[in-house]
Amino acid sequence: EPEVTQTPSHQVTQMGQEVILRCVPISNHLYFYWYRQILGQKVEFLVSFYNNEISEKSEIFDDQFSVERPDGSNFTLKIRSTKLEDSAMYFCASRGGDTVYSNQPQHFGDGTRLSIL
Amino acid sequence: RKEVEQDPGPFNVPEGATVAFNCTYSNSASQSFFWYRQDCRKEPKLLMSVYSSGNEDGRFTAQLNRASQYISLLIRDSKLSDSATYLCVVNEDTGRRALTFGSGTRLQVQP
Repeated sequence: EPEVTQTPSHQVTQMGQEVILRCVPISNHLYFYWYRQILGQKVEFLVSFYNNEISEKSEIFDDQFSVERPDGSNFTLKIRSTKLEDSAMYFCASRGGDTVYSNQPQHFGDGTRLSIL
Repeated sequence: RKEVEQDPGPFNVPEGATVAFNCTYSNSASQSFFWYRQDCRKEPKLLMSVYSSGNEDGRFTAQLNRASQYISLLIRDSKLSDSATYLCVVNEDTGRRALTFGSGTRLQVQP
């Protein structure tokens, strides 16, 4: 069964440093998402991406965050200057379907645990 | 504020028991509904979509009541491997199709 893959599985970074989290969505999916989950809390939406541009972003996704699809397979989340409160599990997800209104479920990667020191 | 609410549990049940989880959502325009399960420190995994007419997948039955904005999940004949956190997830009709997650209900099935 095709799956979403994420690297690295664990990233430890000093506060103030830049970090890039990588994702390879399922190959025929066109809609991509980043979510985060702070330990003990609910999964929160960060950003959605379609047709090489951001479709929607949450209030969490401020100017420190950016996303990119640099080639035909990777989808990256960059945090420019990390803060302690960025420590969380970051999940990438992708979805199939022909339109933005499709009810196809999202499939999640196994996440990157980001620890900011 | 748009929310999805669940009883956090934990629900401690013996093997073979039937257990039901409920969830309410606040946005009446929500369009799609799902149950995901999440094991400790792992990713959410789709358990099943929830359809208006209700649907069943083996031991799992999901129901949707749009009038009451209420979703349920019934697990019959619980197995030890069903121990996990069950996430009620809603796709709001905002055009962005991002998912809104409940905090999850923890299930512990005991031998």
